[in-house]
Amino acid sequence: AQKITQTQPGMFVQEKEAVTLDCTYDTSDPSYGLFWYKQPSSGEMIFLIYQGSYDQQNATEGRYSLNFQKARKSANLVISASQLGDSAMYFCAMREGLKTSYDKVIFGPGTSLSVIP
Amino acid sequence: KAGVTQTPRYLIKTRGQQVTLSCSPISGHRSVSWYQQTPGQGLQFLFEYFSETQRNKGNFPGRFSGRQFSNSRSEMNVSTLELGDSALYLCASSLGQGTQYFGPGTRLTVL
Repeated sequence: AQKITQTQPGMFVQEKEAVTLDCTYDTSDPSYGLFWYKQPSSGEMIFLIYQGSYDQQNATEGRYSLNFQKARKSANLVISASQLGDSAMYFCAMREGLKTSYDKVIFGPGTSLSVIP
Repeated sequence: KAGVTQTPRYLIKTRGQQVTLSCSPISGHRSVSWYQQTPGQGLQFLFEYFSETQRNKGNFPGRFSGRQFSNSRSEMNVSTLELGDSALYLCASSLGQGTQYFGPGTRLTVL
């Protein structure tokens, strides 16, 4: 069963507009972490933002914010004021088993974001 | 602080050969994970090493192996290469349970 779902294979956004990239996850572990990474065409994965399952507030990092809805198992990434350099693949990932010696990161299929000037 | 480095960046091999990829983690990071990324399968977890011990393993055949040295540097080896092994191989390091930081990747082409 797929543990990370990103239902938007591709998205377009106008420059300077905000955009939301969807991510839903599935886990029975109460202790987990959620991540968003950006992968430009160069291939390097760039860490954007992290949300822990016990964090009370939604994470924010500059223009990035994470809309965390725990009951719905949803962790959407919001990018405000899109820039041309935001065009890339975006991956949602989950790390479960944080309190154990067994933990690994699972990635979603990704969303390709294109920013239009 | 220097980021994660991977060598080589590009590699071309033929079927049946073997290959070794190298990853140097961020200083102080003791966990190194390896991923294979292909257009068809996406990002797939290969294995993770922590303090020279393999802590987790993904669902890959035994041709894929790895190791970690006392300085936390890690190597990944693929023996008897197949065409389907062509991929971007990404290495990531972390303190152990925190955020993983990725290197630039090694793009392997098998002819």
